[in-house]
Amino acid sequence: SQQGEEDPQALSIQEGENATMNCSYKTSINNLQWYRQNSGRGLVHLILIRSNEREKHSGRLRVTLDTSKKSSSLLITASRAADTASYFCATDTSGNTPLVFGKGTRLSVIA
Amino acid sequence: GAVVSQHPSWVICKSGTSVKIECRSLDFQATTMFWYRQFPKQSLMLMATSNEGSKATYEQGVEKDKFLINHASLTLSTLTVTSAHPEDSSFYICSARDIYVNTEAFFGQGTRLTVV
Repeated sequence: SQQGEEDPQALSIQEGENATMNCSYKTSINNLQWYRQNSGRGLVHLILIRSNEREKHSGRLRVTLDTSKKSSSLLITASRAADTASYFCATDTSGNTPLVFGKGTRLSVIA
Repeated sequence: GAVVSQHPSWVICKSGTSVKIECRSLDFQATTMFWYRQFPKQSLMLMATSNEGSKATYEQGVEKDKFLINHASLTLSTLTVTSAHPEDSSFYICSARDIYVNTEAFFGQGTRLTVV
């Protein structure tokens, strides 16, 4: 069953602007991960944040996690046209359970 | 990082035929693998959890007799779509986890199945 909900469902911004996507989930989690998917292609792992972490950075990506609100956000700074893709959050409840994906945010970065 | 290889990357088959998709973990032992399905403009939906040496666990609404899963070794799981119909056309993705390391799940490249 779908656990996560992302918002917005679609986001269109100009190149150079920042993009923020939010994800909410329903149950306690072990890890929360963000993935990118270009149209018709496989998943690209972006970042993993553990349940005891609050913030993580990787390049132009910044992820926050608020377990009290059961929510996470992904910030992409200084966006580029190549960032155009769908972005999904996914959660698990332990190290050997499946990831449950949110509905995703379709990001369009206009050059 | 760990690699999961999925094959084929795309397949076109006639209605009524069966298609087998392979998922291999190349550099770690995956006691558990997961199969997902993704329809256009939608998210990934878990179909089943595949455990090495035992029967797969299917999610509600997924027909186990239609989607046969075999996980005979620690590095290989297969999904066979039997008697495929056009409504089975979708993107199928496998995932594997190394249960001894609490890290990201690793995904195959996905298989685009088109049933004509």
